[in-house]
Formats: sequence, structure tokens, C-alpha cells
Amino acid sequence: AQKVTQAQTEISVVEKEDVTLDCVYETRDTTYYLFWYKQPPSGELVFLIRRNSFDEQNEISGRYSWNFQKSTSSFNFTITASQVVDSAVYFCALSESGAGSYQLTFGKGTKLSVIP
Amino acid sequence: SQTIHQWPATLVQPVGSPLSLECTVEGTSNPNLYWYRQAAGRGLQLLFYSVGIGQISSEVPQNLSASRPQDRQFILSSKKLLLSDSGFYLCALDRIEIANYGYTFGSGTRLTVV
Repeated sequence: AQKVTQAQTEISVVEKEDVTLDCVYETRDTTYYLFWYKQPPSGELVFLIRRNSFDEQNEISGRYSWNFQKSTSSFNFTITASQVVDSAVYFCALSESGAGSYQLTFGKGTKLSVIP
Repeated sequence: SQTIHQWPATLVQPVGSPLSLECTVEGTSNPNLYWYRQAAGRGLQLLFYSVGIGQISSEVPQNLSASRPQDRQFILSSKKLLLSDSGFYLCALDRIEIANYGYTFGSGTRLTVV
């Protein structure tokens, strides 16, 4: 069975600090997808990134970067020069394909608080 | 573009009352649809998914049921709510077939059972 672990329940940083959110996953499939979602206080889930299991290239998008390492089954998320607007709960998720649908397994989330 | 409409945004219901949450989709046909629940302080849990009209798969035994009467309509129901049904309910469709896309989520319904 697939599993996603986000060991950090809550993190607090001072504005402009860098912060890394950890994500470790378990799956028996060779083809799978990894995701990060942001959930601000309003509750909606905002899609940040998707990574396919066969693409280990790291990605940078502005202040956000993602480090995917299959050898350690990790998909970590780094925010550089954090801002107050980054305060939210961040979820890592894993999807395997099954019977034509793609059920997501979420980690329990990491609540990030950026202090001005 | 694909959009998901969910209502109501907030709901307070007494224990033992029925429930009906509706999710409708625009901008796509034959989507895979999902119901997730987020209990307070916890992650999201998949409740049901549907790959087509009348096709419902349940992931967790519970007090809830789902139906898909039309291609772009997904309904979550209960005959008698329990306190443990309180939570934030999200409808979603997947866009996995599109490169670099994930799920699109609705804005959610916050249900409080009292």
C-alpha cells in the first residue's frame, strides 16, 4: 500500500529565511506521480507541482524548488526567502494508477508559519 | 478551462439528520471525480471516486454514500449524520493525463455535526 510521511507537523520561520518541507513516500509501483499542494487558511487546495516517477530532474519555480530523490524515496520542497503569504499547510501526495483513476494518498501536512 | 462547483460552503447539521453535498463540473466531459474529507488537524482522506456515470468506488467503510447520476455531477450523501462526520469535504477531478497537471479541487464544504 502507498504511504506518504510528512514528519514535520509545524514549522515556524522568520520572514526571509529559507525553509525545507520534507516528504517521504512508499509505493510498490514503478510508475507513480508525486505532488505538492498548498492549503491557505481559506481552505482551498492549490496545486504547486507534479513529478513523474521517471523524471528525477529537480525543479525551480521562482522562490520554490523541489528535490526528488528516488534512492531515498523523498520529494522535498524548499521555499527560499520566505514571505508571510507562504504561511499555509502544505501537503505532499502520491498517486498510483489503478483501474483508470488516480487516487491521491496525502501526507498529514506541514503547517508553515512565516513570522514577519 | 475545467472548474468545480461545490455547495454549500458551510453547513451545520444535527446528529441524525440527512446530508446531501453536490459537486458539479464544467469544461470537461467524462472526468474522474473524487470526494475527499479532511478532519480537523488531519490530512485528506479519499472517500469515494467515480470513473463514470453510476460507477462508484468506496475507499473507506463509513456512514456516507456517493452517487453520480450525470457525467458532471457527483453527490455525497448520508441518511443519518454522526458527530464523526464533521470535517471539510472536497470534491476533485483529476487532470493527470495532462502533462504537469494534478488535481483540481472545489472550494470545499465545511460540515459541522452538532
